[in-house]
Amino acid sequence: EIVLTQSPGTLSLSPGERATLSCRASQGVSSNYLAWYQQRPGQAPRLLIYGAASRATGIPDRFSGIGSGTDFTLIIDRLEPEDFAVYYCQQYGLSPATFGQGTKLEIE
Amino acid sequence: QITLKESSPTRVKPTQTLTLTCTFSGFSLTTSGVGVGWIRQPPGKALECLAFIYWDDDRRYNPSLKSRLTITKDTSKNQVVLTMTNMDPVDTATYFCAHRGSLSGSWDTGYFDYWGQGALVTVSS
Repeated sequence: EIVLTQSPGTLSLSPGERATLSCRASQGVSSNYLAWYQQRPGQAPRLLIYGAASRATGIPDRFSGIGSGTDFTLIIDRLEPEDFAVYYCQQYGLSPATFGQGTKLEIE
Repeated sequence: QITLKESSPTRVKPTQTLTLTCTFSGFSLTTSGVGVGWIRQPPGKALECLAFIYWDDDRRYNPSLKSRLTITKDTSKNQVVLTMTNMDPVDTATYFCAHRGSLSGSWDTGYFDYWGQGALVTVSS
């Protein structure tokens, strides 16, 4: 199965700054089938990005995804207080679909 | 508006069988291309995709858990049921059901665009 490694484990930033989160796959992700989710404490994950770069319905354009092959990045511009959460990447190009271990975005 | 909600016992004993029910609205599992999946998350850990079921009753499982899982649907009730046999304390987790995204590609996998709130299941004697 494809192993996804997210870095950093924890990212400390201030509101208004830009966050850059990385997701590296152990092998190439077919058709760039890579999704990003946000999870706040006690809540279900929320889809942000699918197909590596397509924003899900209702997701502000402050969130963007880039990358292909084995290296993918989630960028969050102009951080707002509600953005501080845990972010997961998921590949769905090869069964079984797998998730990374998460990056915690915390307020500095 | 798509919504999903999980229901289950909060605690099961080791070796018992867990039955999880997902009740959904806002879509139909009789519509071509529609799928529902189950995902779990142990406390403080990452997510794990368990199984999918589709409008045509096609069923796909995570190979590592396939021998213990059965997924079924009841379209008249808008429900999907997942059973997991031989429960162990390591199976303690929050179990989520979710609507599979329509641009997911292969039927073996998928991303999830709508999620239930999750149901915490503790395995303990």
